[in-house]
Amino acid sequence: AQTVTQSQPEMSVQEAETVTLSCTYDTSESDYYLFWYKQPPSRQMILVIRQEAYKQQNATENRFSVNFQKAAKSFSLKISDSQLGDAAMYFCAYRGQGTSGSRLTFGEGTQLTVNP
Amino acid sequence: KAGVTQTPRYLIKTRGQQVTLSCSPISGHRSVSWYQQTPGQGLQFLFEYFSETQRNKGNFPGRFSGRQFSNSRSEMNVSTLELGDSALYLCASSPWGGPGAQYFGPGTRLLVL
Repeated sequence: AQTVTQSQPEMSVQEAETVTLSCTYDTSESDYYLFWYKQPPSRQMILVIRQEAYKQQNATENRFSVNFQKAAKSFSLKISDSQLGDAAMYFCAYRGQGTSGSRLTFGEGTQLTVNP
Repeated sequence: KAGVTQTPRYLIKTRGQQVTLSCSPISGHRSVSWYQQTPGQGLQFLFEYFSETQRNKGNFPGRFSGRQFSNSRSEMNVSTLELGDSALYLCASSPWGGPGAQYFGPGTRLLVL
C-alpha cells in the first residue's frame, strides 16, 4: 500500500520569506500523481499544485513550486514571498494509476504559520 | 463553474441514529469520492463512485455506504452512528476519474453525541 509522510507537523515563516515543506512517499508504482492541498481554517481543501510522475520538470504555480525527486520518492513544496493568506494546513497527497481510481492517500499535514 | 457543494454543512446526531450526507460535483465531473477527516486519523478515503458504480472502497465498516445518481450527485449514509463517527466529511469530484486532480467541497461537520 502507498504511504505518504510529512515529517514536519508545524512550520513557521516570516512574511515575504521562503519556506519549504517536506513530503516523502512510498510506492511500487511507476506512474502516479502527487498533489499539495491547502486547508485554511475554513476547512475547505484547495488544490495548490500537482505533479505527474512521468514529467521530469518540476511543477510551478506562481509563488508555489515543487522539488520532485522520483528516485528518492520526495516531493517538497516551496512557497516564495510568503503571504499572510498562505497560513494553513498543507497536505501532500498521492494518487496512483489503474485500479486505485481517483483515490488520494494523504500525509499527516504540516501546519504553516506566517508571521507578519 | 460552480464548485462542489455539500449539504448539510453541520449536523448533530445521537448515537444509534443514521445520517445521510449529500454532495453535488462540479458540472461535468463524473467521479465523486468521499473522505473522513478526524484529528486522530487524519484524512481517510471512504469510497469513490463513477458513473453510478462504486469503483473503490476504503477500510470502513459496512455502516458506511454511498450511492451515486445519474446526474453524478452522490450521497453517503452512515447507519447506527457511533461517537467515533464525529468528523468532517469531505466530498471531492474529478472530471472522469482519470489523471486529473480532485476538487473538494466545503465539507459536512458531523457531531455524534
